[in-house]
Amino acid sequence: NAGVMQNPRHLVRRRGQEARLRCSPMKGHSHVYWYRQLPEEGLKFMVYLQKENIIDESGMPKERFSAEFPKEGPSILRIQQVVRGDSAAYFCASSLGGGREPQHFGDGTRLSIL
Amino acid sequence: GESVGLHLPTLSVQEGDNSIINCAYSNSASDYFIWYKQESGKGPQFIIDIRSNMDKRQGQRVTVLLNKTVKHLSLQIAATQPGDSAVYFCAESNAGGTSYGKLTFGQGTILTVHP
Repeated sequence: NAGVMQNPRHLVRRRGQEARLRCSPMKGHSHVYWYRQLPEEGLKFMVYLQKENIIDESGMPKERFSAEFPKEGPSILRIQQVVRGDSAAYFCASSLGGGREPQHFGDGTRLSIL
Repeated sequence: GESVGLHLPTLSVQEGDNSIINCAYSNSASDYFIWYKQESGKGPQFIIDIRSNMDKRQGQRVTVLLNKTVKHLSLQIAATQPGDSAVYFCAESNAGGTSYGKLTFGQGTILTVHP
């Protein structure tokens, strides 16, 4: 059984460029979540999506960040005009349903901003 | 505000000992809790979960205890092995409320198991 797949595993961008992070959920999962992790810290919730819908984006910065989960294809987290402070590990999780269903995580994308 | 925190940031044990990792949470509305294990360079790996209508749940070599009175969660690992060395996070959500998809994570406890 394939788990949550994220790519790329590592991404280097210069300030001002765009970063696109992809996430394919586990087979049969229609709920996707994005989290950000800074070194030595726990994960911080960013956004929760179901197919074609954003359910909760309360953890996502209002500017430069966007997320989508189209009917076909992976979920995308997009960061425009990246800044040094965007450097972090970005994790995607998926679950079978919402609420009291365990979220299963991918191995993340490590984003470095030069 | 809502927060989930850990009493002990590091824990060192000998192989074969039992380990107990603790977690305090502040949101009394939290009704769903999960423990994750994270190894270096990897994503969090689901260990065990518990709902607020329970106070104990057992898995393979692991037990989670929930004390809602004092808002405390613990993870017990029996016969700890070197492969258990990792960072352990507790996470909580108000699954029955408006933020039902959002997990709030604690800072993590580093478990080191010595052979």
